[in-house]
Amino acid sequence: DTAVSQTPKYLVTQMGNDKSIKCEQNLGHDTMYWYKQDSKKFLKIMFSYNNKELIINETVPNRFSPKSPDKAHLNLHINSLELGDSAVYFCASSQGPEFYEQYFGPGTRLTVT
Amino acid sequence: AQSVTQPDIHITVSEGASLELRCNYSYGATPYLFWYVQSPGQGLQLLLKYFSGDTLVQGIKGFEAEFKRSQSSFNLRKPSVHWSDAAEYFCAVDSWGKFQFGAGTQVVVTP
Repeated sequence: DTAVSQTPKYLVTQMGNDKSIKCEQNLGHDTMYWYKQDSKKFLKIMFSYNNKELIINETVPNRFSPKSPDKAHLNLHINSLELGDSAVYFCASSQGPEFYEQYFGPGTRLTVT
Repeated sequence: AQSVTQPDIHITVSEGASLELRCNYSYGATPYLFWYVQSPGQGLQLLLKYFSGDTLVQGIKGFEAEFKRSQSSFNLRKPSVHWSDAAEYFCAVDSWGKFQFGAGTQVVVTP
């Protein structure tokens, strides 16, 4: 069983479009995260939710909006996509908001043309 | 400013040779420390972590890391690398709820 899954794995879209990436974890964890990995492999946290509540919101454009329908799911919606949004987006989860051990999904490679 | 530094962007090592990856941090207090590995096209996997106690930490896949407070370091080691160890390795730090990854070290394993 996949612990943290993301869909889709690849996403190619044009500038200006709106897209969503879905994440699900079956570990029973309370906290979920979204990370962005740029072309130089640099990983930066974007958001963190604990029990469906936003606890970390780093400096991310308002075009990015996370949504957590329940604590097993954390989706990322991106409006008005820009070229600079091209990256790999990783979802992760942990038992609690103190990070500790995070379990990562396989990533979603977003390419904006 | 708080930071996590991995001084080596890229390391090439022969199969069977030993490997050491460096990680230094700059935080006011001793943070929680982690090493993650990212195989090509994959997500990150936790290798090991240090919270407190014994400064030599054993992890998965034969890796170990040593926390040295005096040097603000948490270096990762493996005595004998396998071709499957070729990957990107990330040091990470959690200090008072602030979590940060280092820039990563790419490890290439040659025959």
